Amino acid sequence: DQQVKQNSPSLSVQEGRISILNCDYTNSMFDYFLWYKKYPAEGPTFLISISSIKDKNEDGRFTVFLNKSAKHLSLHIVPSQPGDSAVYFCAASAGNTGKLIFGQGTTLQVKP
Amino acid sequence: DTAVSQTPKYLVTQMGNDKSIKCEQNLGHDTMYWYKQDSKKFLKIMFSYNNKELIINETVPNRFSPKSPDKAHLNLHINSLELGDSAVYFCASSQNHGTLDTGELFFGEGSRLTVL
Repeated sequence: DQQVKQNSPSLSVQEGRISILNCDYTNSMFDYFLWYKKYPAEGPTFLISISSIKDKNEDGRFTVFLNKSAKHLSLHIVPSQPGDSAVYFCAASAGNTGKLIFGQGTTLQVKP
Repeated sequence: DTAVSQTPKYLVTQMGNDKSIKCEQNLGHDTMYWYKQDSKKFLKIMFSYNNKELIINETVPNRFSPKSPDKAHLNLHINSLELGDSAVYFCASSQNHGTLDTGELFFGEGSRLTVL
């Protein structure tokens, strides 16, 4: 039973356009959400996070939106750059469990 | 200077063998983890240790045994390897256990285990 799902395995966008990566979760106890980025042959690296008390967090070109009623979050990248091409993982945690539950990732390709 | 390093990066072995993957972090973090990325690409937590103490054990077969000699190291020993153990294993660390709202996990590059 996967509590965090990323239903789009891949996404392709043109350089300069917006990339929107989506993530759905089922556990209403999740109170903290994160996005990680992973290049081939490297480990995931932290990108941006959001607490459940917020609905938006912005960091430069990256913005994460949280819709608690829909149990949905999204990552917007504007403008997209070729260097953004990577696998993006959504993750969530509940309380002080210290446990991150990851989605299966979405591969983003940004074409020049 | 790599923050979280794990060795080996690639490991090919036969069914039934015993193997180990080592992990070291130089970030001064208190908590270390092992995650497994399976064929469906999900990253699933296996274990976490906080200051050498086992905190999380996610119903992993007891053929998998983590060992933490000190808080900078968390090694993974796997006995009697099976075909289904083939995966990429990621080590990670965080500043504190249970306070992921202050930061995040720092991952190693992964160790790809192939069991033939």
